[in-house]
Amino acid sequence: GIQVEQSPPDLILQEGANSTLRCNFSDSVNNLQWFHQNPWGQLINLFYIPSGTKQNGRLSATTVATERYSLLYISSSQTTDSGVYFCAVQPNQAGTALIFGKGTTLSVSS
Amino acid sequence: DTEVTQTPKHLVMGMTNKKSLKCEQHMGHRAMYWYKQKAKKPPELMFVYSYEKLSINESVPSRFSPECPNSSLLNLHLHALQPEDSALYLCASSQDERNEKLFFGSGTQLSVL
Repeated sequence: GIQVEQSPPDLILQEGANSTLRCNFSDSVNNLQWFHQNPWGQLINLFYIPSGTKQNGRLSATTVATERYSLLYISSSQTTDSGVYFCAVQPNQAGTALIFGKGTTLSVSS
Repeated sequence: DTEVTQTPKHLVMGMTNKKSLKCEQHMGHRAMYWYKQKAKKPPELMFVYSYEKLSINESVPSRFSPECPNSSLLNLHLHALQPEDSALYLCASSQDERNEKLFFGSGTQLSVL
């Protein structure tokens, strides 16, 4: 089956720093999504981004489907950005649901 | 309304108990999902309902029994669980099964004693 690899596994930042999280996938996909899970367990859908670039405030994401990777950029990080960031892909085969990567754990300190 | 509501938020049950987890959405979504998440792991898919019919069962043990009474509601019935079933149980919904922008509920933290 399709493999989803996220890097780095852990990231520690000072408030105000910028960061880039990466998601590589091993086969073509129908869609790709980025999620943030806060320390209380709530999963928030950040981006639905099968290709191209999207921006939402301090966050932006780029997916290059032909090269099988996606990047999540966080600028001017804040302590509330702490948590786990998951990339999830849906393979092209019918009847398959989202497959999650193992996540990147981000800690932002003030 | 972009909320998926799950109840209860916390649940402690013994191995002989029967309990149910509930999930509700009012976004008109026609696909609903149950995920299980262990600490420091990604969510694992358990079940998918599409247009109120079970479309994916990821070989989940029969002690977990899903039910979709209507397009807005999803239940997960629990019976004779094991301590290793302790986890965060997440419900999610999407417009349909192929348009999978997922919206998650806040989860039920389940402890099996």
